[in-house]
This record gives sequence, structure tokens and C-alpha cells, in this order.
Amino acid sequence: DIQMTQSPSTLSASVGDRVTITCRASQSISSWLAWYQQKPGKAPKVLIHKASSLESGVPSRFSGSGSGTEFTLTITSLQPDDFATYYCQHYNDYSGTFGQGTKVEI
Amino acid sequence: QVHLVQSGAEVKRPGSSVRVSCKASGGIFSSYAFSWVRQAPGQGLEWMGGFIPISGAPNYPPKFQGRVTMTTDESTTTAYMELSSLRSEDTAVYYCVTYDSTGYYLGYFDHWGQGTLVTVSS
Repeated sequence: DIQMTQSPSTLSASVGDRVTITCRASQSISSWLAWYQQKPGKAPKVLIHKASSLESGVPSRFSGSGSGTEFTLTITSLQPDDFATYYCQHYNDYSGTFGQGTKVEI
Repeated sequence: QVHLVQSGAEVKRPGSSVRVSCKASGGIFSSYAFSWVRQAPGQGLEWMGGFIPISGAPNYPPKFQGRVTMTTDESTTTAYMELSSLRSEDTAVYYCVTYDSTGYYLGYFDHWGQGTLVTVSS
């Protein structure tokens, strides 16, 4: 099975910062990667699919890039609403493995 | 727009089974497929299995094979997940999710239920 590894596990940042989260796959997954945001006590919400396609309604300060085995989620100018945990996920396969998550905190 | 409403919280004894339901509304039921994701307290997201469009059958990761059964009922637009031989480590919030079923394989999860807390305790 394909393993997904995110880094860092925790990220301390301030409002207005540019934030980058990395996700690595144990083998090539082309661009079949999604990013999710989860706030405490809530269900996750998809932000990006196919590595760089922004989901409808998601602010443009979120962007994704990468292909093959290395991917990044970037948040330009971090807003108070963005403090949350972010997960990457491989899909378009017979399984849907998640990364372990990255908590973005103040 | 698909809306998913899950059944309420459950408390179960070790060794028993639990069945969680997920009622879908909006959209065309046959145009999306279901998976289930769980999250133990303070932990990350774990995919438990889901329907693979090209086969129309569920695929379960090795960790859950033999213990989980996922079904759907198109007549009631409801998906079900049953987990048996429960142990304390199964205490978690269980989410149903949907994705486009027009592809071949598992899609990304664009709609999520509100989650169902299952507590396993003696």
C-alpha cells in the first residue's frame, strides 16, 4: 500500500504568514492528491483535489502543487480562520490513505 | 449538493457490533459512491474502506477485513457501516463520505457526514 507522510506535524505561525505543508508519497501517485482542512469538532472539508485544483468556494490564498511523490499545500497570508489541521490524501486507487496531519497553530 | 446525515452516538461493549447509518439527500444517489473514515480521539483520519466504482463492490484495507461490512440501500438512499468484534481501540468518530462514482477508482471525498461517536467500553 502507498504510504503518505506529511511534514511538519505541527507548525506555529502568525496571521499574515506564508505557510507551506509538505506531503510525500511512498511511490508515484501522479497528481492524485487531495488536501483537507479540519477544525476541532468538525468534519474535514476538501480544499484541493488533483494536487492543484481549488475546490469551489475555497479562498484563493490556498494553493497546491506537486506531482509524483512530493506535494505542497501553501497558504499565503494566513488568516485567523485558517488555524486548523490539514491532511493530504492519495486517491484514484483502490484505497484512500491519509497523511498523519499537520496542525497549524498560533 | 449532497447532504449526509448520520445516526446518533453509540456506546457498545467490547466484543459487540455497531451499525452506523448515513442518509443521503440531494444529487442523484447512483452518481456518487460511499466510503467510511474514522478518527480516534486526538488522532488523524483513517480510511476504513469504500466502494470502488469500477467494481461496484467495497474494498477494505487489511486492517479492517473480516470485521467491517459496508452496504448501501438505494431505495432509502442510505449507506451503512457495520463493525464487529469491537474493542476499546475502536472508540472513534466515524464519518461517511461521498465521491464521484463516474470514475474508475476511489475519488476524493467532497461531502462528509457530521460524524457519529462510537464509544467502546465495558
